[in-house]
Amino acid sequence: KNQVEQSPQSLIILEGKNCTLQCNYTVSPFSNLRWYKQDTGRGPVSLTIMTFSENTKSNGRYTATLDADTKQSSLHITASQLSDSASYICVVSGKAGTALIFGKGTTLSVSS
Amino acid sequence: GAVVSQHPSWVICKSGTSVKIECRSLDFQATTMFWYRQFPKQSLMLMATSNEGSKATYEQGVEKDKFLINHASLTLSTLTVTSAHPEDSSFYICSASGLADTYEQYFGPGTRLTVT
Repeated sequence: KNQVEQSPQSLIILEGKNCTLQCNYTVSPFSNLRWYKQDTGRGPVSLTIMTFSENTKSNGRYTATLDADTKQSSLHITASQLSDSASYICVVSGKAGTALIFGKGTTLSVSS
Repeated sequence: GAVVSQHPSWVICKSGTSVKIECRSLDFQATTMFWYRQFPKQSLMLMATSNEGSKATYEQGVEKDKFLINHASLTLSTLTVTSAHPEDSSFYICSASGLADTYEQYFGPGTRLTVT
């Protein structure tokens, strides 16, 4: 069964600290993996998208890694800001044109 | 670029009435549009996929006669919730894809539907 699991479910950190979110998937065949940020009451916004051959991709303070062999990905947030408080969703595409498989997300709260 | 809008952003309707939600790709032609529903603290659930000019493909368990989807142009798709009930209250999000050489789906900002 194609699944995407994320951990932790929720996370609270102090402003300025770093954090790492995890994503494990069992989707096969695999096309690409995306990380989205979703603010409360808003649609998801793409942070990174990685294909099978890519191991890491950065977008500002966000760095995603992908290990296609172990089917694991992580999203590292550096020097967190209050505006980083949101849900971070890992999404996997089985192959181009097919439905995306969504993880349940990690809710990050950054406090001052 | 690649902006997707939704209208309205928030709507309240009475039980038994119908509500139409619009999804527009503002700066690209969307050959495929997707409609999702999201309940509080849950992930997005795909409802249907629509290709311009074709009938939508609905996910298992989604009533096509209740959730009418029209994708008449490359920049507009509509979702009509017919005979809405309180259990239809949810956050509805569309996404669009169609740019060349990309796997990306661009999400709209969502529409909050409350049925009283």
